Amino acid sequence: AQKITQTQPGMFVQEKEAVTLDCTYDTSDQSYGLFWYKQPSSGEMIFLIYQGSYDEQNATEGRYSLNFQKARKSANLVISASQLGDSAMYFCAMREYTGGFKTIFGAGTRLFVKA
Amino acid sequence: DGGITQSPKYLFRKEGQNVTLSCEQNLNHDAMYWYRQDPGQGLRLIYYSQIVNDFQKGDIAEGYSVSREKKESFPLTVTSAQKNPTAFYLCASSIDPRGHQPQHFGDGTRLSIL
Repeated sequence: AQKITQTQPGMFVQEKEAVTLDCTYDTSDQSYGLFWYKQPSSGEMIFLIYQGSYDEQNATEGRYSLNFQKARKSANLVISASQLGDSAMYFCAMREYTGGFKTIFGAGTRLFVKA
Repeated sequence: DGGITQSPKYLFRKEGQNVTLSCEQNLNHDAMYWYRQDPGQGLRLIYYSQIVNDFQKGDIAEGYSVSREKKESFPLTVTSAQKNPTAFYLCASSIDPRGHQPQHFGDGTRLSIL
């Protein structure tokens, strides 16, 4: 079975510092995709960044970058220059095929940014 | 603006009652999804639809039903068979049914039992 593991239930970071949120995945597929979403306390899910399994370069979107290590099956999210508004839940997710194309989500990491 | 609209924002269900959560999108997306989120946990897939008039069960479909009669609408009914329906429900859509593109989410519906 394919799955996503986020081992950090909560993380603290000082404002303006960088933080890495861990994500490991398990799949036997050669073609897959990995996503990161942010969920503020209001509840909506916001897409942050995507990495395809065949992408040679690590994905970047503004202050977000994805540290993709295919052999280790990890896809860690790096947030640079943390801001107070970054305080939220962060979910790693992976596309899978089990009779239909679905996205499975990890349990999430709650990030607290300190002033 | 294009997006996904979920209604109502809050919903209360009495014992033995069926309730329906609305999800409408004007993004012209083929794929739509329903997730359940319990406090402090990730999202679990209830049902998904990759095309009009077709849908598949997700990981926790028991006690729920859906329909996809129109491309823009994917309502979720929480039936009386769902014994623990209290949760946050999120609807999502994607332009790519194969999952290579990100999903766009609504603002969610919080369902509670009276």
